[in-house]
Amino acid sequence: DQQVKQNSPSLSVQEGRISILNCDYTNSMFDYFLWYKKYPAEGPTFLISISSIKDKNEDGRFTVFLNKSAKHLSLHIVPSQPGDSAVYFCAASYSGGGADGLTFGKGTHLIIQP
Amino acid sequence: EPEVTQTPSHQVTQMGQEVILRCVPISNHLYFYWYRQILGQKVEFLVSFYNNEISEKSEIFDDQFSVERPDGSNFTLKIRSTKLEDSAMYFCASTPWGDEKLFFGSGTQLSVL
Repeated sequence: DQQVKQNSPSLSVQEGRISILNCDYTNSMFDYFLWYKKYPAEGPTFLISISSIKDKNEDGRFTVFLNKSAKHLSLHIVPSQPGDSAVYFCAASYSGGGADGLTFGKGTHLIIQP
Repeated sequence: EPEVTQTPSHQVTQMGQEVILRCVPISNHLYFYWYRQILGQKVEFLVSFYNNEISEKSEIFDDQFSVERPDGSNFTLKIRSTKLEDSAMYFCASTPWGDEKLFFGSGTQLSVL
């Protein structure tokens, strides 16, 4: 069962442009969402998160948007840089679940072209 | 910067053999986890460990799996009798407070032949 879906396995964006990575979820109990970034031969690293009480969270070039009614979130990277080339995982959790209740998507491979 | 260390980076084993995957979590973290990712699939939760005992485990974590913290620094995952379907990247992770912002190791790629 795919409770967290990232429907684009890969995405190619030109350097300097906006990258938009999408994520959908099916479980209405999820109320906390995270994005992780993974380089080859490394483990995932936490990037940004958002609670369901918000619809936007911004950290530098990274912004996450949450649309609860559509059960959809997106990660915007502006402007995209070559170092942003990585696999991005969307993850979701619910109140009290902590990391035990963390459910990941399959990831989107972002490729930033010079 | 402190990091989670995993060894070995690659492990090849024969079906039915026992393997032990090793992890050294970040020293002041209290919560430890094992996740795995089968090629092309999502990252899946296996088990969480706190205060020297398992706090949660998934359906994947059956009797063939066990975890141990044999000393103050190491955290191990043992698979007693490996199956072909155990082939995956195994990630160890830790957090100070049990929240979702995990610190992952670089993983052990397990190949069962």
